[in-house]
Amino acid sequence: DAKTTQPNSMESNEEEPVHLPCNHSTISGTDYIHWYRQLPSQGPEYVIHGLTSNVNNRMASLAIAEDRKSSTLILHRATLRDAAVYYCILRPYSGAGSYQLTFGKGTKLSVIP
Amino acid sequence: GAGVSQSPSNKVTEKGKDVELRCDPISGHTALYWYRQSLGQGLEFLIYFQGNSAPDKSGLPSDRFSAERTGGSVSTLTIQRTQQEDSAVYLCASSLETLSTNYGYTFGSGTRLTVV
Repeated sequence: DAKTTQPNSMESNEEEPVHLPCNHSTISGTDYIHWYRQLPSQGPEYVIHGLTSNVNNRMASLAIAEDRKSSTLILHRATLRDAAVYYCILRPYSGAGSYQLTFGKGTKLSVIP
Repeated sequence: GAGVSQSPSNKVTEKGKDVELRCDPISGHTALYWYRQSLGQGLEFLIYFQGNSAPDKSGLPSDRFSAERTGGSVSTLTIQRTQQEDSAVYLCASSLETLSTNYGYTFGSGTRLTVV
């Protein structure tokens, strides 16, 4: 299984940008990079996903390295509501097992007022 | 509905009793998943339903666990003869996935099961 490596925890000041890194050196050509976050006492929430090109949506941006061995989730202005555990997950594009999300430990983001 | 709805939100049961957990997915979502999260642990895949295909039950931890999805919509996860190690948050998710697409999941808030 392709695996990801993330820092256990990070801190950010409120209203500052946050860059959450993820290493996935064994990524295959058909793996999408997905990000989810889990706020306290809630189920995970989809954030963003991409394959090769950088992606933007209303929640965040995803910057993918040219060799795809790493990626960075960017929150442009952290708010207190962004305090959560952030998971970086690889998913095959299709085929058996592609529907399973394998959650690791993630990065616990703390936002300081 | 606007999101994935799970009920009950909390369930306390005595060891040895059976429990049923319910999930109402987002209307029109063909794929439905059950995961569980034990205290301080990551999410563990349990079962996957896709349309009328046979479900992938490979994540169910024992034969005390079963799930069904009626009419391609509501799903029920049943745990028979509950044990203390079954205590966890049980999360349901749905998506527009097919085998050739790759969408994000929408998770419910979960059912917190406590076996005493």
